[in-house]
Amino acid sequence: EPEVTQTPSHQVTQMGQEVILRCVPISNHLYFYWYRQILGQKVEFLVSFYNNEISEKSEIFDDQFSVERPDGSNFTLKIRSTKLEDSAMYFCASSMGQRNQPQHFGDGTRLSIL
Amino acid sequence: AQTVTQSQPEMSVQEAETVTLSCTYDTSESDYYLFWYKQPPSRQMILVIRQEAYKQQNATENRFSVNFQKAAKSFSLKISDSQLGDAAMYFCAYRRAQGGSEKLVFGKGTKLTVNP
Repeated sequence: EPEVTQTPSHQVTQMGQEVILRCVPISNHLYFYWYRQILGQKVEFLVSFYNNEISEKSEIFDDQFSVERPDGSNFTLKIRSTKLEDSAMYFCASSMGQRNQPQHFGDGTRLSIL
Repeated sequence: AQTVTQSQPEMSVQEAETVTLSCTYDTSESDYYLFWYKQPPSRQMILVIRQEAYKQQNATENRFSVNFQKAAKSFSLKISDSQLGDAAMYFCAYRRAQGGSEKLVFGKGTKLTVNP
């Protein structure tokens, strides 16, 4: 069964550095998402992406964050200048788009900011 | 804004027994979707079961079933004949059916332990 894959599984970065988290969604999916989960807290929506543009973003997704689908297969989340509070598990998800279709999640990338 | 509440941070069950995980939600919408996701340790979230709000019949998937009470805004998950592989975090999630947001709104999760 096709899966969403995320790399790396764990990223350690110094505060203030840029980080790029990578995702390969399921190939025939049209909608792409990023969520994050701070340790011990809820999974929170960050952004959704469709037709090469952001379709929705949360208040968490400020100017430090950006997303890109550079080559038709990868979907990336960039954090420009990381802060300690960006430490979290970041999940990529994709879906066909119809609302009754589930979002399929990757294994996540654990981001640790030092 | 929609919210999802899972009031049980942890639950445990004996192997082969039945356990029910609770979920309540708050919305002003009449049409929406509800999901239960399972997240084994260090693994991806996997869809367990989903329910369309317009359907009165409770969804079932093998040993997993839901008790969907729309008026009470309750969506509990029942796991029958629990197996060791059912041990995981379980997340309840809500999604609008029409217009606007595609996002999933999650509860905080319930950690299920299955005792042999």
